[in-house]
Amino acid sequence: DAGITQSPRYKITETGRQVTLMCHQTWSHSYMFWYRQDLGHGLRLIYYSAAADITDKGEVPDGYVVSRSKTENFPLTLESATRSQTSVYFCASSPSGGVRQFFGPGTRLTVL
Amino acid sequence: DQQVKQNSPSLSVQEGRISILNCDYTNSMFDYFLWYKKYPAEGPTFLISISSIKDKNEDGRFTVFLNKSAKHLSLHIVPSQPGDSAVYFCAASRETSGSRLTFGEGTQLTVNP
Repeated sequence: DAGITQSPRYKITETGRQVTLMCHQTWSHSYMFWYRQDLGHGLRLIYYSAAADITDKGEVPDGYVVSRSKTENFPLTLESATRSQTSVYFCASSPSGGVRQFFGPGTRLTVL
Repeated sequence: DQQVKQNSPSLSVQEGRISILNCDYTNSMFDYFLWYKKYPAEGPTFLISISSIKDKNEDGRFTVFLNKSAKHLSLHIVPSQPGDSAVYFCAASRETSGSRLTFGEGTQLTVNP
């Protein structure tokens, strides 16, 4: 269906495990972003991508890995999850030349 | 280094009254500002924006004011409705930042019936 989707919506994992959060958009937007939302910090940028195969670090990239082999997908991987990565993760996209970003519904991740 | 700050974590107003949400920024290179609204268990949704060449932008009940000299913007909601109860995020962008946004911490608005 049209729009931007994230999966899973909820995830519980244990410290040290690898976790991948998925993001898919159907608008063919050039830009995609990953944010984490934590109380008192608002939305902080983890990684972003200007196009397929082009990614760059945001404000809080440590412990995360991204890839973008296709325009529509932008997965975020926590290689070895830590408790401090417990958060709500949002994916967003925007068209080239646009500033307004469109957000997915979020993934609530709990690391025990 | 919080370049965009929303100093009020929460705001409570009565239905029908005005809600004023504030946002300050430190980076003078920011040239475009946006407000997003977020309901629980949903992603943020765009509300209204303003370019640095303007000092006011209005859309129905929502008006954003920009004071460049003070590096301050505010969102006015008149009249406030219970459905406006949400977290509001201020965001800023620079032309050279490639669509990147810097967000504030958010303000929880509660509109009481």
